[in-house]
Amino acid sequence: EAQVTQNPRYLITVTGKKLTVTCSQNMNHEYMSWYRQDPGLGLRQIYYSMNVEVTDKGDVPEGYKVSRKEKRNFPLILESPSPNQTSLYFCASRGTAAGYTFGSGTRLTVV
Amino acid sequence: QKEVEQDPGPLSVPEGAIVSLNCTYSNSAFQYFMWYRQYSRKGPELLMYTYSSGNKEDGRFTAQVDKSSKYISLFIRDSQPSDSATYLCAMSSGGSNYKLTFGKGTLLTVNP
Repeated sequence: EAQVTQNPRYLITVTGKKLTVTCSQNMNHEYMSWYRQDPGLGLRQIYYSMNVEVTDKGDVPEGYKVSRKEKRNFPLILESPSPNQTSLYFCASRGTAAGYTFGSGTRLTVV
Repeated sequence: QKEVEQDPGPLSVPEGAIVSLNCTYSNSAFQYFMWYRQYSRKGPELLMYTYSSGNKEDGRFTAQVDKSSKYISLFIRDSQPSDSATYLCAMSSGGSNYKLTFGKGTLLTVNP
């Protein structure tokens, strides 16, 4: 089944403790992206990657890092999480058509 | 002015009703228009995709794009309780990022 898999689904952490949210897709897509979804603000792009070793900032990149060492994986790294990064995070990939395939989401709470 | 405006609702309709959802936008560069459906605790799933102006039909769903008015719509015929979800419009100008700009979503409930 074609899918984007994120882990973990739920995560509660403390301020300043580094964490990584993994994302993997099995569709051989070159393009991948991370979004966060917040009430009243909708979905906003954090980072994107056009291909292996090619990444760039989206609209809200502050406090986040990404890497793309393999085509299928695109982890999101929070080096020093803060409470304002409490959010619902989605990884997505895109093939030749314009639409994205989204993962099921990671609900992150930073206390 | 926000790039994409979408009435958040909530919208509640009886089963079998025709539902009309819409978004307006301000960026003339948008060429790709999509509707996503998001169930609670799930990721958005692509429902309809349209390039440039025109209509597209898929079963009970019809998407319309009017670029001259910067207005897009999604119609759901014979609505079902399983259609209860948040509907997100999304748009892209294409280009190197393929970034999608989303509306904030409309929460729809279809009552049996």
